[in-house]
Amino acid sequence: ETGVTQSPTHLIKTRGQQVTLRCSSQSGHNTVSWYQQALGQGPQFIFQYYREEENGRGNFPPRFSGLQFPNYSSELNVNALELDDSALYLCASSLEGRQPQHFGDGTRLSIL
Amino acid sequence: QKEVEQDPGPLSVPEGAIVSLNCTYSNSAFQYFMWYRQYSRKGPELLMYTYSSGNKEDGRFTAQVDKSSKYISLFIRDSQPSDSATYLCATYGSNYQLIWGAGTKLIIKP
Repeated sequence: ETGVTQSPTHLIKTRGQQVTLRCSSQSGHNTVSWYQQALGQGPQFIFQYYREEENGRGNFPPRFSGLQFPNYSSELNVNALELDDSALYLCASSLEGRQPQHFGDGTRLSIL
Repeated sequence: QKEVEQDPGPLSVPEGAIVSLNCTYSNSAFQYFMWYRQYSRKGPELLMYTYSSGNKEDGRFTAQVDKSSKYISLFIRDSQPSDSATYLCATYGSNYQLIWGAGTKLIIKP
């Protein structure tokens, strides 16, 4: 069974740029959730995708957007990067509903 | 008030001790509770997943939910240096999102 994989592992960008982060879900899972984790804090929910549709969104501005593909992999796009966007971005996959979420190791995004 | 509160620690205990990690939550509608372990520079790893009140045991780990006091606990028996990590509690809110505590940093001293 293949777990959740994320790419790239680390990324450095400058303010105003755009970034795309990628996630491959665990085999058999049809739901992907994205979280932002600042240093020393718990993750914050960005949004969730279920069968290619956004299924819920946290308190993040529209410059955070996403996609889910027919194979249930997913992308997180962030436009107009700000210094505060520096964080670990985590992807989790699960079956639908309130099933356990399984996480990848994240992409560490640094904004200069 | 945060929806899930967790003492950030650090909590330092000697090897072999029983560890008790705790969270409180504010919304009595929360039903699903999880404990994750996170090593430095890694993603959270699911340890325990429980529904409603009661205890659940898995090896050296026991999760306990007390809905009357809105209190959840994770006990680790025979703690090992490899258990040193940050432990996060989480629950499902609306919109199928996980709501997290801040995490407790645990240090097991050999």
